[in-house]
This record gives sequence, structure tokens and C-alpha cells, in this order.
Amino acid sequence: VQLVESGGGLVQPGGSLRLSCSASGFTFSRYTMGWVRQAPGKGLEWVSDINDSGGKTYYTDSVKGRFTISRDNSKNTLYLQMNSLRAEDTAVYYCARAGSMSWYDYWGQGTLVTVSS
Amino acid sequence: DIQMTQSPSSLSASVGDRVTITCRASQGIKNYLAWYQQKAGKVPKLLIYAASTLQSGVPSRFSGSGSATDFTLTISSLQPEDVATYYCQKYDGAPLTFGGGTKVEIK
Repeated sequence: VQLVESGGGLVQPGGSLRLSCSASGFTFSRYTMGWVRQAPGKGLEWVSDINDSGGKTYYTDSVKGRFTISRDNSKNTLYLQMNSLRAEDTAVYYCARAGSMSWYDYWGQGTLVTVSS
Repeated sequence: DIQMTQSPSSLSASVGDRVTITCRASQGIKNYLAWYQQKAGKVPKLLIYAASTLQSGVPSRFSGSGSATDFTLTISSLQPEDVATYYCQKYDGAPLTFGGGTKVEIK
């Protein structure tokens, strides 16, 4: 199992970024996937989940209406579209695979998002 | 939303000590509780799910117990490689909240 995130970087407040997570080594379309973030020096924060088909999505309150999780099962890729970014969104964003329920058994290496002017 | 509270926030123990970390949910979550280990600068690693099921490959000195609102992670004999921050996570339904973490150090 391999999960590789990309798309992080420096963005100004109010800007947008799209994170991608390329998955390999397992049947991507059979698993719920999620995003977890970690602000510098802080703990883990769950951000969003999407079920195997992409038909159900869930978000933490602080990103509802600003972030959109999606997936392309034909490309084995998970996405996180992040709009209206704020300084408090600065974090390492991890892509993770959910087990048979939503514990995360595999994690990517993370991609750093920095929101600053 | 259900809150997850870990205690202590940090601890220092000697090699070979038995270490216990507590995670409390503000409402019952049955056994929908996972534990993760994160070493400094590294990616989180799943240790335990369903409150007490050891993930494949995790040393047997790690164990989990509890249900409903009170859960514990126990390291039966602390090893130097166990220095890390440990997090609990509920997964009974969104939001999938993590606890604040417990930093474990060697005395």
C-alpha cells in the first residue's frame, strides 16, 4: 500500500489549493478514504472522509463550505479542494486509508500547506 | 459533538515500566476507538482498533481496553523505541475526533 500526496505549498489567505493523493497497492475503489491534518507542533485533526463510491462525504465543522473531498476511482486518486483558505488551515495534510470502519490503517507522508501573506 | 480527552498530556517513565494512557469520550462510543503512535517527524501509525484489537505487526506489549466512554492504552514494558506521542480517535461517526495526544518520554 502506498499513498502519495501532492499539491501543497504556500498560498495567500483567501486563496485556493487542490491536494491530490495517489494510491497504489490495493483496490482503491473498495475503501473509504480520508484527510487528516496536523498544524505545526499540534495534534492530529480529522478533516474529511469519503466513502468508497464517492457518494457520501463528511467534514469537520471548520472546513464545511470551504473544502470539498472527492475521488476518481478510475485514476486511484483522492482529492481535497480547499477554498477560502485561512491562516489556521496551515498544516501538514495526510491522506489516509480507512479500515473496515473509519480507523486509518495506512497513511501518506503528508503535504505541507502554508497559508500566509 | 463528542469530545475525546486524553490524560495525561505527557509522562516520563523508565525502561521496563508499565505505562497507561487514558482516553475518555464525552458520550458513549461503544468500542469504536483506535489508538495511534506518532514518533517525532514521522507519520502516525495505527496500533489498535475496536478498542482492543492489535493491528498486525504491532508488538504485543501494546494493549487496549475499555468501552462506552473510558478507554486505556497500556504499554506493558516501556522500550526506548516507544518514545512517541499517542493519540486516540473515535470512529462511531463524523466527526472522527482525535484526542489531544499523550507524549511519552523515557526517564
